[in-house]
Amino acid sequence: SQTIHQWPATLVQPVGSPLSLECTVEGTSNPNLYWYRQAAGRGLQLLFYSVGIGQISSEVPQNLSASRPQDRQFILSSKKLLLSDSGFYLCALRQFETQYFGPGTRLLVL
Amino acid sequence: SQQGEEDPQALSIQEGENATMNCSYKTSINNLQWYRQNSGRGLVHLILIRSNEREKHSGRLRVTLDTSKKSSSLLITASRAADTASYFCATEVPGTASKLTFGTGTRLQVTL
Repeated sequence: SQTIHQWPATLVQPVGSPLSLECTVEGTSNPNLYWYRQAAGRGLQLLFYSVGIGQISSEVPQNLSASRPQDRQFILSSKKLLLSDSGFYLCALRQFETQYFGPGTRLLVL
Repeated sequence: SQQGEEDPQALSIQEGENATMNCSYKTSINNLQWYRQNSGRGLVHLILIRSNEREKHSGRLRVTLDTSKKSSSLLITASRAADTASYFCATEVPGTASKLTFGTGTRLQVTL
């Protein structure tokens, strides 16, 4: 079965600093991958999705970018963090019709 | 705006009681899925119901789908304290590259 790794689990960053969150998956090949953000007490907002290496689709204009350098690696980045980037970031993969989620990274921008 | 809206936003019941959560959506769908999220954790997939299905069961879970009303319900029977979590519905819309749109969630509290 598939496994999704995300790190770090928690991150505190100052405003204006760069960001790199990594997601790696195991137990599957050529998956669709997704980055979501969840604000406190809210639902999930889809940020990016990727159907293959180097293929990124952005859902909402924002301060973030994503890359997929390898089949099982999905990276979320920012050059300069904003306060509004705080939240819980979740990586997911799609297998058949279902999405499976990683443990998430909690980001606090101060 | 969100495709899915859950109702109620919060629900508190005692162990052994049944919990019912509802989800409404706005457009035609391929399928509707329910997920659970324990506090501060990732989401866990519970059950998927396709647009041509009306009811599905999985253990203590029962999901119904009414495409004419664009609504779904999740019933948890004989609830346990371990069922305490937030529950989200998510819809997959045709022609959207298999993207899911999540609702705002129902926070379920099961007390002893």
